Amino acid sequence: KQEVTQIPAALSVPEGENLVLNCSFTDSAIYNLQWFRQDPGKGLTSLLLIQSSQREQTSGRLNASLDKSSGRSTLYIAASQPGDSATYLCAVRARAGNTGKLIFGQGTTLQVKP
Amino acid sequence: DAGVIQSPRHEVTEMGQEVTLRCKPISGHNSLFWYRQTMMRGLELLIYFNNNVPIDDSGMPEDRFSAKMPNASFSTLKIQPSEPRDSAVYFCASSLTSGAKNIQYFGAGTRLSVL
Repeated sequence: KQEVTQIPAALSVPEGENLVLNCSFTDSAIYNLQWFRQDPGKGLTSLLLIQSSQREQTSGRLNASLDKSSGRSTLYIAASQPGDSATYLCAVRARAGNTGKLIFGQGTTLQVKP
Repeated sequence: DAGVIQSPRHEVTEMGQEVTLRCKPISGHNSLFWYRQTMMRGLELLIYFNNNVPIDDSGMPEDRFSAKMPNASFSTLKIQPSEPRDSAVYFCASSLTSGAKNIQYFGAGTRLSVL
């Protein structure tokens, strides 16, 4: 059974710091991995999606990497800003198409202090 | 598009009452997902539909939970009778499965409190 773990559960950093969020999964047979952002009282917003054949994806100050063989992904946030404060969740999809469920980690709650 | 629309945003009810949560997916999307989020268990998939047909309902906790998708633009999640342990935030998400990425777009959620 696929399990997704995110460490740390919470993180507080001063504005401007570069930071790394970690995600690990137990079954390396994944189709893709997604990073989401969740603001308090809101739904999830997809940030980056990495296919199993890819090693990284970048969007602005965000860079996500994937090492499928070791069951790990990282989300790198450069030059953090207070607006980055949110909960970040990673999720893996086991198979392609209609039968591929997303399995979520518990999330890392990030606070960026001005 | 307005995105995935859920109603109500908040629901407070008493134990034993029937609760119906509603979802309107993004127009043109052919898959719809219902999730439940709690502090203890995180985000869990309850059920998902493809082309209005339930594909996997293995996450539905009990017979008290049921979901329907009568057409491509509407779905309901019903809890009858409700219990305090059902208190959670329920999310609906939709996606277009024809693409390789298959990104799910989430609604704002319904926060359910069962007293």
